[in-house]
Amino acid sequence: DVKVTQSSRYLVKRTGEKVFLECVQDMDHENMFWYRQDPGLGLRLIYFSYDVKMKEKGDIPEGYSVSREKKERFSLILESASTNQTSMYLCASSSRNQPQHFGDGTRLSIL
Amino acid sequence: AQSVTQLDSQVPVFEEAPVELRCNYSSSVSVYLFWYVQYPNQGLQLLLKYLSGSTLVKGINGFEAEFNKSQTSFHLRKPSVHISDTAEYFCAVSDLSGTYKYIFGTGTRLKVLA
Repeated sequence: DVKVTQSSRYLVKRTGEKVFLECVQDMDHENMFWYRQDPGLGLRLIYFSYDVKMKEKGDIPEGYSVSREKKERFSLILESASTNQTSMYLCASSSRNQPQHFGDGTRLSIL
Repeated sequence: AQSVTQLDSQVPVFEEAPVELRCNYSSSVSVYLFWYVQYPNQGLQLLLKYLSGSTLVKGINGFEAEFNKSQTSFHLRKPSVHISDTAEYFCAVSDLSGTYKYIFGTGTRLKVLA
Protein backbone atom coordinates (compact mmCIF):
# COMPACT_ATOMS: atom_id res chain seq x y z
CA ASP A 1 0.00 0.00 0.00
CA VAL A 2 1.12 3.52 -0.77
CA LYS A 3 1.96 5.51 2.31
CA VAL A 4 1.93 9.32 2.28
CA THR A 5 3.00 10.71 5.62
CA GLN A 6 2.52 14.29 6.73
CA SER A 7 4.73 15.28 9.63
CA SER A 8 2.05 16.88 11.82
CA ARG A 9 -1.69 16.30 12.22
CA TYR A 10 -2.22 19.58 14.09
CA LEU A 11 -0.06 22.68 14.16
CA VAL A 12 -0.50 26.09 15.81
CA LYS A 13 1.70 29.00 14.75
CA ARG A 14 1.73 32.76 15.11
CA THR A 15 1.36 35.38 12.38
CA GLY A 16 4.63 36.28 10.74
CA GLU A 17 6.30 32.95 11.52
CA LYS A 18 7.91 30.86 8.79
CA VAL A 19 6.10 27.51 8.74
CA PHE A 20 7.27 24.22 7.23
CA LEU A 21 4.88 21.38 6.38
CA GLU A 22 6.60 18.13 5.44
CA CYS A 23 5.33 15.27 3.30
CA VAL A 24 7.03 11.95 2.57
CA GLN A 25 5.88 9.16 0.24
CA ASP A 26 7.29 5.64 0.09
CA MET A 27 6.34 4.52 -3.44
CA ASP A 28 8.94 6.27 -5.59
CA HIS A 29 6.21 8.44 -7.17
CA GLU A 30 7.29 11.12 -9.62
CA ASN A 31 4.44 13.51 -8.87
CA MET A 32 3.68 15.25 -5.58
CA PHE A 33 1.03 17.84 -4.76
CA TRP A 34 0.05 20.26 -2.02
CA TYR A 35 -3.60 21.27 -1.58
CA ARG A 36 -5.48 23.33 0.91
CA GLN A 37 -9.02 22.37 1.88
CA ASP A 38 -11.56 24.90 3.10
CA PRO A 39 -15.29 24.35 3.79
CA GLY A 40 -17.39 24.94 0.71
CA LEU A 41 -14.36 25.36 -1.53
CA GLY A 42 -13.19 21.79 -1.89
CA LEU A 43 -9.50 21.16 -2.53
CA ARG A 44 -7.41 23.83 -4.22
CA LEU A 45 -3.97 23.12 -5.63
CA ILE A 46 -1.15 25.22 -4.21
CA TYR A 47 1.95 23.71 -5.88
CA PHE A 48 2.96 20.48 -7.53
CA SER A 49 6.16 18.80 -8.60
CA TYR A 50 6.95 16.32 -11.39
CA ASP A 51 10.45 15.47 -10.30
CA VAL A 52 13.23 16.36 -7.93
CA LYS A 53 13.93 20.10 -7.94
CA MET A 54 10.99 20.68 -10.32
CA LYS A 55 7.99 22.69 -9.19
CA GLU A 56 4.96 24.27 -10.79
CA LYS A 57 2.47 26.78 -9.41
CA GLY A 58 -1.06 25.60 -8.87
CA ASP A 59 -4.16 27.73 -8.57
CA ILE A 60 -3.36 29.53 -5.29
CA PRO A 61 0.45 29.79 -4.87
CA GLU A 62 0.54 33.27 -3.30
CA GLY A 63 2.16 33.28 0.13
CA TYR A 64 3.59 29.77 -0.31
CA SER A 65 6.73 28.15 -1.64
CA VAL A 66 7.85 24.53 -1.95
CA SER A 67 10.99 22.46 -1.92
CA ARG A 68 11.73 19.05 -3.38
CA GLU A 69 15.35 18.10 -2.80
CA LYS A 70 14.68 14.35 -2.68
CA LYS A 71 12.16 12.35 -4.69
CA GLU A 72 10.27 11.10 -1.64
CA ARG A 73 9.94 14.44 0.18
CA PHE A 74 7.92 17.53 -0.73
CA SER A 75 7.86 20.47 1.66
CA LEU A 76 5.39 23.35 1.76
CA ILE A 77 6.66 26.63 3.21
CA LEU A 78 4.59 29.53 4.45
CA GLU A 79 7.09 32.37 4.20
CA SER A 80 5.28 34.66 6.67
CA ALA A 81 2.17 33.03 8.07
CA SER A 82 -1.07 34.98 8.09
CA THR A 83 -4.45 34.22 9.66
CA ASN A 84 -6.04 33.61 6.23
CA GLN A 85 -3.71 30.63 5.83
CA THR A 86 -5.49 28.80 8.63
CA SER A 87 -6.71 25.69 6.85
CA MET A 88 -6.39 21.94 6.34
CA TYR A 89 -3.37 21.11 4.16
CA LEU A 90 -3.27 17.86 2.21
CA CYS A 91 -0.32 16.29 0.46
CA ALA A 92 -0.71 13.74 -2.35
CA SER A 93 1.52 11.71 -4.63
CA SER A 94 1.03 9.78 -7.85
CA SER A 95 2.84 7.94 -10.57
CA ARG A 96 2.10 9.29 -14.08
CA ASN A 97 -1.66 9.01 -14.75
CA GLN A 98 -2.42 6.74 -11.81
CA PRO A 99 -4.71 8.02 -9.03
CA GLN A 100 -3.33 10.38 -6.42
CA HIS A 101 -2.78 9.01 -2.92
CA PHE A 102 -3.33 11.36 0.00
CA GLY A 103 -1.86 11.84 3.45
CA ASP A 104 -4.05 12.35 6.52
CA GLY A 105 -3.67 16.13 6.39
CA THR A 106 -2.29 18.84 8.65
CA ARG A 107 -4.77 21.13 10.34
CA LEU A 108 -2.89 24.43 10.64
CA SER A 109 -4.05 27.30 12.82
CA ILE A 110 -2.40 30.71 12.57
CA LEU A 111 -3.05 32.91 15.59
CA ALA B 1 -10.35 25.00 -18.79
CA GLN B 2 -11.92 22.22 -16.81
CA SER B 3 -14.42 22.45 -14.02
CA VAL B 4 -16.33 20.08 -11.76
CA THR B 5 -19.75 20.72 -10.25
CA GLN B 6 -21.20 18.89 -7.31
CA LEU B 7 -24.58 20.53 -6.98
CA ASP B 8 -25.56 18.94 -3.68
CA SER B 9 -23.53 20.20 -0.74
CA GLN B 10 -25.39 17.91 1.69
CA VAL B 11 -27.41 14.74 1.17
CA PRO B 12 -29.29 13.17 4.08
CA VAL B 13 -30.52 9.61 3.57
CA PHE B 14 -31.87 6.88 5.79
CA GLU B 15 -29.89 3.74 6.45
CA GLU B 16 -30.43 0.97 3.86
CA ALA B 17 -31.88 3.44 1.34
CA PRO B 18 -30.22 4.00 -2.04
CA VAL B 19 -28.22 7.15 -2.71
CA GLU B 20 -26.93 9.04 -5.73
CA LEU B 21 -24.33 11.79 -5.48
CA ARG B 22 -24.18 13.92 -8.58
CA CYS B 23 -21.08 15.11 -10.41
CA ASN B 24 -20.96 17.05 -13.67
CA TYR B 25 -17.80 18.18 -15.38
CA SER B 26 -16.80 20.51 -18.16
CA SER B 27 -13.85 19.85 -20.43
CA SER B 28 -12.95 20.31 -24.07
CA VAL B 29 -10.70 17.24 -24.03
CA SER B 30 -10.96 13.64 -22.88
CA VAL B 31 -10.68 13.15 -19.16
CA TYR B 32 -10.09 10.75 -16.34
CA LEU B 33 -12.65 10.84 -13.54
CA PHE B 34 -12.39 9.94 -9.86
CA TRP B 35 -14.46 9.75 -6.70
CA TYR B 36 -12.78 10.12 -3.33
CA VAL B 37 -14.19 9.77 0.19
CA GLN B 38 -13.03 11.68 3.25
CA TYR B 39 -13.92 10.47 6.73
CA PRO B 40 -13.66 12.97 9.61
CA ASN B 41 -10.12 14.08 10.37
CA GLN B 42 -8.63 11.96 7.63
CA GLY B 43 -7.22 12.44 4.15
CA LEU B 44 -8.93 11.41 0.93
CA GLN B 45 -9.32 7.77 -0.02
CA LEU B 46 -9.94 6.65 -3.59
CA LEU B 47 -13.39 5.08 -4.08
CA LEU B 48 -13.22 4.45 -7.82
CA LYS B 49 -11.81 5.73 -11.07
CA TYR B 50 -12.70 5.90 -14.73
CA LEU B 51 -9.72 5.88 -17.08
CA SER B 52 -11.17 4.11 -20.13
CA GLY B 53 -13.27 1.10 -21.13
CA SER B 54 -16.59 0.21 -19.53
CA THR B 55 -18.61 3.25 -18.53
CA LEU B 56 -19.92 1.51 -15.39
CA VAL B 57 -17.20 1.51 -12.78
CA LYS B 58 -17.32 -0.44 -9.54
CA GLY B 59 -15.38 0.71 -6.52
CA ILE B 60 -14.83 -0.13 -2.89
CA ASN B 61 -17.50 -0.35 -0.19
CA GLY B 62 -20.26 -1.22 -2.70
CA PHE B 63 -20.14 2.09 -4.59
CA GLU B 64 -20.35 2.39 -8.35
CA ALA B 65 -20.41 5.24 -10.85
CA GLU B 66 -21.42 5.63 -14.47
CA PHE B 67 -19.55 7.78 -16.96
CA ASN B 68 -21.94 9.52 -19.33
CA LYS B 69 -19.99 11.39 -21.98
CA SER B 70 -23.00 13.00 -23.66
CA GLN B 71 -24.24 14.43 -20.37
CA THR B 72 -20.70 15.03 -19.03
CA SER B 73 -21.66 13.35 -15.79
CA PHE B 74 -20.10 10.82 -13.42
CA HIS B 75 -22.70 10.19 -10.73
CA LEU B 76 -21.88 8.00 -7.73
CA ARG B 77 -24.43 5.45 -6.51
CA LYS B 78 -24.90 2.91 -3.77
CA PRO B 79 -28.00 0.68 -3.57
CA SER B 80 -28.10 0.50 0.24
CA VAL B 81 -26.14 2.81 2.53
CA HIS B 82 -24.83 2.18 6.03
CA ILE B 83 -24.20 4.53 8.92
CA SER B 84 -20.50 4.08 8.27
CA ASP B 85 -20.88 5.70 4.83
CA THR B 86 -21.37 9.08 6.52
CA ALA B 87 -18.51 11.14 5.09
CA GLU B 88 -17.67 13.79 2.53
CA TYR B 89 -17.37 12.73 -1.10
CA PHE B 90 -15.34 14.51 -3.74
CA CYS B 91 -15.48 14.16 -7.50
CA ALA B 92 -12.31 15.01 -9.46
CA VAL B 93 -11.33 15.28 -13.12
CA SER B 94 -7.94 15.11 -14.78
CA ASP B 95 -7.21 15.69 -18.43
CA LEU B 96 -4.93 13.54 -20.55
CA SER B 97 -2.42 16.29 -21.27
CA GLY B 98 0.19 14.78 -19.00
CA THR B 99 0.07 17.38 -16.24
CA TYR B 100 -1.56 14.87 -13.84
CA LYS B 101 -3.34 17.72 -12.09
CA TYR B 102 -6.82 17.22 -10.71
CA ILE B 103 -9.70 19.65 -10.49
CA PHE B 104 -11.91 18.83 -7.52
CA GLY B 105 -15.55 19.55 -6.91
CA THR B 106 -16.58 21.32 -3.72
CA GLY B 107 -17.71 18.06 -2.12
CA THR B 108 -20.98 16.48 -1.00
CA ARG B 109 -21.54 15.67 2.65
CA LEU B 110 -23.47 12.40 2.93
CA LYS B 111 -25.25 11.93 6.24
CA VAL B 112 -26.80 8.53 6.82
CA LEU B 113 -29.61 8.58 9.36
CA ALA B 114 -30.65 5.66 11.57
